[in-house]
Parts: sequence; structure tokens; C-alpha cells
Amino acid sequence: QKEVEQNSGPLSVPEGAIASLNCTYSDRGSQSFFWYRQYSGKSPELIMSIYSNGDKEDGRFTAQLNKASQYVSLLIRDSQPSDSATYLCAADNTNAGKSTFGDGTTLTVKP
Amino acid sequence: NAGVTQTPKFQVLKTGQSMTLQCAQDMNHNSMYWYRQDPGMGLRLIYYSASEGTTDKGEVPNGYNVSRLNKREFSLRLESAAPSQTSVYFCASTSRASQPQHFGDGTRLSIL
Repeated sequence: QKEVEQNSGPLSVPEGAIASLNCTYSDRGSQSFFWYRQYSGKSPELIMSIYSNGDKEDGRFTAQLNKASQYVSLLIRDSQPSDSATYLCAADNTNAGKSTFGDGTTLTVKP
Repeated sequence: NAGVTQTPKFQVLKTGQSMTLQCAQDMNHNSMYWYRQDPGMGLRLIYYSASEGTTDKGEVPNGYNVSRLNKREFSLRLESAAPSQTSVYFCASTSRASQPQHFGDGTRLSIL
């Protein structure tokens, strides 16, 4: 079992719809969680971080964390074609000093 | 603001050749990381340095060595390149664990 697992994808949604990306993690020592966006041929860039249970909203993006269920999600509202990318979930164990990344979910937003 | 700078951006090697990938950050970050990313895959940690003077193995360290030259620079060395090491290599840094990482643009390495 991978330490961080994401929806296998690919995920395709129409423009304007809500895209839902899911991630589960196995290390209960994980304390910080991140969503990175990676366009094809580019490096990952941070879009959301979340550290405590509940929801965190930033513009069209909402991250949700449930530590009891070891589950992290990212919702993208009013999806745009420019949101088409691979989204990487990462769980960070502060004591270990490193993050573990999932394999990513590729999202395509169709005009 | 350069952030994380990786050199070279592209490289083609023959099997058995050696080379060093360079990474430097100008954000005064303590922790630095080397990842590889194969097509359709996530990031796999090769080595990391939680602070200047320390290095630790990640998930896939075999065939690689690293040097944390100073706080700014963290290099990755392939002593005897193999075709299985063909990949995109990313260097990243962060101020400390629990903070998000900043990535360089990557080095695209092909080994024939």
C-alpha cells in the first residue's frame, strides 16, 4: 500500500463544473498536507496547504482534511480549462522531515 | 527572485557515464530535496537534507549520492548512469518540515 494514494484518474469535467480530487494517507504521524498543481512539462507549484481538520477555502479552491479518516480532498469550483493539469497530494511528517507524494490525478476541463 | 535553480536543464548520457546535477536556492531554506519523476508517476524522493550538514536516504537512493555543499547548494551525483535512471529530476527546498516545498524547473536526463 502506498503511503499516499489518490484517485487514479484521469478526471474529466465540463467547464464551470466542480472537480473533486481525493487523497488518503496511511502515516498517522502526518501533520501537514499540501496540494500541488503540475502543468505538463513544468514543475509542481503549491496551490493549497491545510494543517487542521475542516475546510480551507482560497478563491475557487477548497481543501478538506479529516485526520480521523486520514483523508484529504481538493474541490475546484467553476472549473476552467486553465485548471487542466495534474494535481499532486502530499503528506508531511514533521518528525521525519520530509513529504510523501501521491502519484497525482490528471484533470481535464473541457470547454 | 531566482528561487530554486537547477542545472543543467537537459542532459543526455551514455550508460556508465557519471554526472552531477546542481541545485541552489536563494531563500535561506534549511531543507532541500531531490526527487525523480517518471512518466505518469508522482514524485519519488531520492535523498534529502533536513539541514546543512545532514543528508538522508529517501525512497529510491540506489545509484545516487548527494552532497549538501552549504546551506544554499545540494548536488546529486550519478556515479555510473543506467538507462533506468532516465527521468526528470526535481530539486526542492523549504524553510522547515511542515512547510510547502518550492521546486526548481527540473533536469530532463536521458541515458542511452
